[in-house]
Amino acid sequence: GAVVSQHPSWVICKSGTSVKIECRSLDFQATTMFWYRQFPKQSLMLMATSNEGSKATYEQGVEKDKFLINHASLTLSTLTVTSAHPEDSSFYICSARTGTGSQPQHFGDGTRLSIL
Amino acid sequence: AQTVTQSQPEMSVQEAETVTLSCTYDTSESDYYLFWYKQPPSRQMILVIRQEAYKQQNATENRFSVNFQKAAKSFSLKISDSQLGDAAMYFCALFGNEKLTFGTGTRLTIIP
Repeated sequence: GAVVSQHPSWVICKSGTSVKIECRSLDFQATTMFWYRQFPKQSLMLMATSNEGSKATYEQGVEKDKFLINHASLTLSTLTVTSAHPEDSSFYICSARTGTGSQPQHFGDGTRLSIL
Repeated sequence: AQTVTQSQPEMSVQEAETVTLSCTYDTSESDYYLFWYKQPPSRQMILVIRQEAYKQQNATENRFSVNFQKAAKSFSLKISDSQLGDAAMYFCALFGNEKLTFGTGTRLTIIP
């Protein structure tokens, strides 16, 4: 149980392109979803928290106009990297949780984004 | 702000032996939760074990157990009977104030 699917797993695109990443909870309803970014050999850094039906809460230093997050249903959240540039290349991981903070987050497999 | 510190960037252990990974943390929250996640080469984050801060009893999950020292703000992970499949990056994480904060990770190598 508690499976989170993330798609695509790897995307390569040209600079200036917008890229959408999907995060789905397959067997549970995710009241809260999180988006993280992980640079090579580093830890996960929280980018934003989204609750279903509400606007996402972004961490300090994360550009909300650059990283658009939509959490339209209890099983789907999307992250759109708008006008991506090479410095946006990274590993992006989503997680989903049902209930409150006492419940663990379940992570997707991640998306490797490479901007040429 | 809350912080999580893992002071061991790399550890290695002989197969079937026991290894302990260290983690210390700091938070001003009274209500928080602690987790250990494993990230194998596939890069999926897998929950290993969790501990509620209000519980004194150390959590255990099969070969995995923690030593939770609340006063010292320490949360170490012990892996018994290490197996080749345990090789991965291990991240200690603290959930407090609606945010999950990760340590920098410890890379665990299993020696056959």
